[in-house]
Amino acid sequence: DTAVSQTPKYLVTQMGNDKSIKCEQNLGHDTMYWYKQDSKKFLKIMFSYNNKELIINETVPNRFSPKSPDKAHLNLHINSLELGDSAVYFCASSQDLRQGYQETQYFGPGTRLLVL
Amino acid sequence: ILNVEQSPQSLHVQEGDSTNFTCSFPSSNFYALHWYRWETAKSPEALFVMTLNGDEKKKGRISATLNTKEGYSYLYIKGSQPEDSATYLCALSQGGSEKLVFGKGTKLTVNP
Repeated sequence: DTAVSQTPKYLVTQMGNDKSIKCEQNLGHDTMYWYKQDSKKFLKIMFSYNNKELIINETVPNRFSPKSPDKAHLNLHINSLELGDSAVYFCASSQDLRQGYQETQYFGPGTRLLVL
Repeated sequence: ILNVEQSPQSLHVQEGDSTNFTCSFPSSNFYALHWYRWETAKSPEALFVMTLNGDEKKKGRISATLNTKEGYSYLYIKGSQPEDSATYLCALSQGGSEKLVFGKGTKLTVNP
């Protein structure tokens, strides 16, 4: 069973479109994250949610909106896609962010987004 | 801006060689240091979480040390195998911040 799964794995779309990426974890974790792997290959945090509550919201354009319907899911919706949004997006989860950052994060396989 | 530096950026070794690489970070306000192993087209996989100065952790042929006073951690691989080929990432968390800051990684290639 996949611990952290993301769909789709690949997403090719036109500029201006709206798209969503879904993430699910079956580890029973309380905290979920979205990371972006940028053009310089850094993994950078975008958002984190703890038990459906937004905890971290880095300086991300408001075209990006995370949604957590329950603690096992954290979806990422992107409006009005731009060329610069092309990247690999990773979802992750950990036991409980509020317990401190000693918690291991478990990553999904990534979604490769290409905006044309 | 918090910088986590890893060196070297890439490394090629022969099967059987032992190798090590470095993660450097600001020593102030240290909370935890994570090491991840990231194979191409797969998810980053956690190796170690280290919190105490002088910590040493081991998992099979891979081990890591931590020096929080001077702000560095070493990852060692003994007797490298081709399956060790991956990018090794370190990530830092500081007290008062609820996020991990990742380095760019060291890409290791082990030639048979």
